[in-house]
Parts: sequence; structure tokens; C-alpha cells
Amino acid sequence: GAGVSQSPRYKVAKRGQDVALRCDPISGHVSLFWYQQALGQGPEFLTYFQNEAQLDKSGLPSDRFFAERPEGSVSTLKIQRTQQEDSAVYLCASSTRRQGASSGANVLTFGAGSRLTVL
Amino acid sequence: DAKTTQPNSMESNEEEPVHLPCNHSTISGTDYIHWYRQLPSQGPEYVIHGLTSNVNNRMASLAIAEDRKSSTLILHRATLRDAAVYYCILRPYGSGSRLTFGEGTQLTVNP
Repeated sequence: GAGVSQSPRYKVAKRGQDVALRCDPISGHVSLFWYQQALGQGPEFLTYFQNEAQLDKSGLPSDRFFAERPEGSVSTLKIQRTQQEDSAVYLCASSTRRQGASSGANVLTFGAGSRLTVL
Repeated sequence: DAKTTQPNSMESNEEEPVHLPCNHSTISGTDYIHWYRQLPSQGPEYVIHGLTSNVNNRMASLAIAEDRKSSTLILHRATLRDAAVYYCILRPYGSGSRLTFGEGTQLTVNP
């Protein structure tokens, strides 16, 4: 597709339920990022994939959060035993991968996000 | 990651230019300066980026100070659709380098 697609757009879960959020990146984009955005705050980094390899998961807030990208395209963010503090918008972004000195010029394309509300 | 400082909010009138400032005094030589904006209920959207020289594109202009310790995003004629949170971000070297968002500047455009 033309952009990054995320589903569902809205998810309401009861505390303790597991949820799965899906991201379809732009075709051919090697890099994929997940961010969490609380109300009124800027997005916070969660994890980064290069193809199917998860190279950085330092932003995942607890072991209840798990992300995968098994075939290097679609990615799923799974949250187990959801808590109220997990309520946020979860954003996915993808980019091509320039290497070397120009790698800082990589531009991210974001999806519209999945809004999770935990009751 | 090097830190950026932006005003919390700014106001502009429709069809007037807007200058959004950003300070980044600890910028390193390989850090690119990126600007993204986020409209209500949408994901962040790329606006412009630069390294040392001023940059122009169809959305905006980026003016970078000679010492690179500050930059200014310029919207030449603000429209109501430009009302958004604008983030100034330093992106370091490294293909997997994350974007580290701050609080950004909430731009209000008055009709």
C-alpha cells in the first residue's frame, strides 16, 4: 500500500486481557519501529526491527510487551495481561535503510496508530 | 541522544509566516536535524530535515544556524491545516537510530 497501515485503530480491553496490534509497513521498507504515545506526550520508542531481526528492544516497558516480525514485513506488537497504564496510542513507523554517514537522514513514515484503552 | 529545546506553544494567524525555533546546543557533527509534525488523531508526519545547509521543500524551509546549535522551521504561509504539534529531533548516525521525540511545540493557527 501507499502508507503504513495499523489495525485495529481502536481497541478496548479489560484489565488482564491479551491484545495484539498489527502493523503493515510500506512495501520494501527494511526498518520498522514501534512507539507508545500517552495522552499529551510525545511518542516514546519501544522497539526496532531490521528485516526480521529485532535489533533494539530497550524501550519495551516490561516483559508483558512482545514484538515480532517473522518474515520481515508485517509486525505484531503483543501485550499480555494488560494493565490500565498500558492505555496509549501505539504507533508503527517504517523506513528504508541508508547506510553509512547518511543514515541519519533516514525518514520515518508513521501509521495512524492503534489506540488502546484498558478498563 | 542530544537534546532539543522548543517552546511549548506558539500562535499564528492564517496566511502569515511562522517561525518555529529549536535549540540543540549539544548537537554532534553527524546529527541530522529532523522536523516532524503531528496533526490531531494522526501519527507523526515528516516535514523536513537537514545537516548543515538550509533546506527547502514543498512543505517548509529549514534554516540552520552556522554553528548548528539552533534551527528554525519556517512555514511560509500558515493555513488552518498546519495546526499541529511540531517536533524538532536530532537523528544520530546509525541506520537503526531511533527518533527521540520531546514535547514539541503546539502551533495554533487563528483564522
